[in-house]
Amino acid sequence: DVVMTQSPLSLPVTLGQPASISCRSSQNLVHRDGNTYLTWLQQRPGQSPRRLIYKVSKRDSGVPDRFSGSGSGTDFTLKISRVEAEDVGVYYCMQGTQWPPAFGQGTKVEIK
Amino acid sequence: EVHLVESGGGLVKPGGSLRLSCAASGFTFRNYSMNWVRQAPGKGLEWVSSISNSSSYIYYADSVKGRFTISRDNAKNSLYLQMNSLRAEDTAVYYCARTSDTWGQGTLVTVSS
Repeated sequence: DVVMTQSPLSLPVTLGQPASISCRSSQNLVHRDGNTYLTWLQQRPGQSPRRLIYKVSKRDSGVPDRFSGSGSGTDFTLKISRVEAEDVGVYYCMQGTQWPPAFGQGTKVEIK
Repeated sequence: EVHLVESGGGLVKPGGSLRLSCAASGFTFRNYSMNWVRQAPGKGLEWVSSISNSSSYIYYADSVKGRFTISRDNAKNSLYLQMNSLRAEDTAVYYCARTSDTWGQGTLVTVSS
């Protein structure tokens, strides 16, 4: 099975400053159809997960453009260009290329 | 608007059973694979089970295989999870999810004597 490893697990950030979360997979996430099914989810305190990014870098409708995803193969990154108070929560990467789907451990973003 | 609403959670004794339901609206349910994902208290997300749009393909996490059964009724726009032989470690919020783009609010299952 694919194992997803995120770092850091805790990320204190200053409002208005950038933040970056790394996600590494134990296997290459390029599907035989050519797509890479790497997703980023945000879970605010007390809420359900919400998808932010799919297929590595495609932003979902309504997601602010301060969020961006990048990477390829086994190494992926979620960047927040300028952290806002509403960005506090836990961020998960998830792979859907191989069965079974797998999530990273989560990265908790908090304001310093 | 796409909407998923889970129900059926509650307190159950170890070894007991529970059936979760997920009511879908705002999209053509029969066209989508569906998933159950759970989150133990204070922990991360864990994929539990998936079912293809026509129920032809069904998958389970090893941790629930042989105890949980996923099913769907496309005529009723509903997804189900039958959970038998429940254990303390099954205690979690159970989310219904359409692929990964839409999630329900979750339903809490607590397994305790």
